Amino acid sequence: DVKVTQSSRYLVKRTGEKVFLECVQDMDHENMFWYRQDPGLGLRLIYFSYDVKMKEKGDIPEGYSVSREKKERFSLILESASTNQTSMYLCASTTAGGYYEQYFGPGTRLTVT
Amino acid sequence: GQSLEQPSEVTAVEGAIVQINCTYQTSGFYGLSWYQQHDGGAPTFLSYNGLDGLEETGRFSSFLSRSDSYGYLLLQELQMKDSASYFCAVKRDSGNTPLVFGKGTRLSVIA
Repeated sequence: DVKVTQSSRYLVKRTGEKVFLECVQDMDHENMFWYRQDPGLGLRLIYFSYDVKMKEKGDIPEGYSVSREKKERFSLILESASTNQTSMYLCASTTAGGYYEQYFGPGTRLTVT
Repeated sequence: GQSLEQPSEVTAVEGAIVQINCTYQTSGFYGLSWYQQHDGGAPTFLSYNGLDGLEETGRFSSFLSRSDSYGYLLLQELQMKDSASYFCAVKRDSGNTPLVFGKGTRLSVIA
């Protein structure tokens, strides 16, 4: 069964902290994505990666960075968390040719206080 | 810019049929996907239209008209469990370009 897992369902951090969100997929997918989801704004792409050590900026990369050292793992890093980064963060993966069918993780609800 | 328009909310009666529309304006178009997301859950893939016409998967169907830059998701024999948010998403080319998602339509099914 296809599976994308995220390190935490809920996370509370303080302003200025460095935050790591981890995503692991077990489907040998080439492509991985990080989105944030806010009410009324839908899914907004932060970063994506189509290969190990490769990364591309999405629509809202400011304040975030990513790391992909292994094919199955894609990490999202908030260098210095701010309250406007309080959100639901969703990771997804897909095969190289299957961009239209993405598999999502359960999400991490991050609160920055 | 990229723009996908879909209604923010739709309410329908259990057992009825509901159509959720999606109109897109994107730099390039390759296909249209639909995703379902229940409250507190992850989005899950429902369907994909790469060609004009209707694709049917059980109670759900999806339609695409490239000439009108328009598609819709049709849900038949509505059940309470269909209450969820539905997102359309455009694939702009055959390469490594990410999907562009609409803001979602919240469907409420009432008895």
